[in-house]
Amino acid sequence: EVLLLESGGGLVQPGGSLRLSCAASGVIFDTYAMSWVRQAPGRGLEWVSTISRSGDNTYYADSVKGRFTISRDNSRSTLFLQLNSLRVEDTAIYYCAKAGFGGSVGADFDYWGQGTLVTVSS
Amino acid sequence: EIVLTQSPATLSLFPGERATLSCRASQSVRSYLAWYQQKPGQAPRLLIYDASNRATGIPARFSGSGSGTDFTLTISSLEPEDFAVYYCLQRANWPPYTFGQGTKLEIK
Repeated sequence: EVLLLESGGGLVQPGGSLRLSCAASGVIFDTYAMSWVRQAPGRGLEWVSTISRSGDNTYYADSVKGRFTISRDNSRSTLFLQLNSLRVEDTAIYYCAKAGFGGSVGADFDYWGQGTLVTVSS
Repeated sequence: EIVLTQSPATLSLFPGERATLSCRASQSVRSYLAWYQQKPGQAPRLLIYDASNRATGIPARFSGSGSGTDFTLTISSLEPEDFAVYYCLQRANWPPYTFGQGTKLEIK
């Protein structure tokens, strides 16, 4: 069974930083691209970032480019998202998601974690 | 950026009825469209990928159709557990991936 478990969310002031983690199990982690998707309270889904299997290639939504950094540690089957220069509008549940059929960047997201809540407020 | 527009915003039906949800793309996404179901307090669940392929473990009452710019998710006979929010996602022209704004399927 594929399990994705996010952690690292919390309350942070505007301009602050957080590091999110997503621990994967039940999957050969380094054979799948991974992504982060967020959902503001009561709102829809927004893609944030994707990283290739090896970690060599990364992609970002314009809304987070230059502020967020995605990375992975395949030896620990863990995905990360470093959030810097946080804004009130970054408040959301952050989900990690695994690439679906084919496993490469550009695939759908077939398994999702339960999410971790990031609240940016003074 | 491709914009996905879902309709209706809210759909009110009785259990046992047929549900038809629409997703329209601002430009062709070929068949690279997926459907997700999200229940309150839960993560999204993949239902359909590449427009018409059911994901693992998804009941046969869920079906997807369409290509290009117009897509449909059909639930043939609603079960109580099907009442949720449904999102479409395109991956034809990324980055960015884009989602529709969602359709809320509620019990009448």
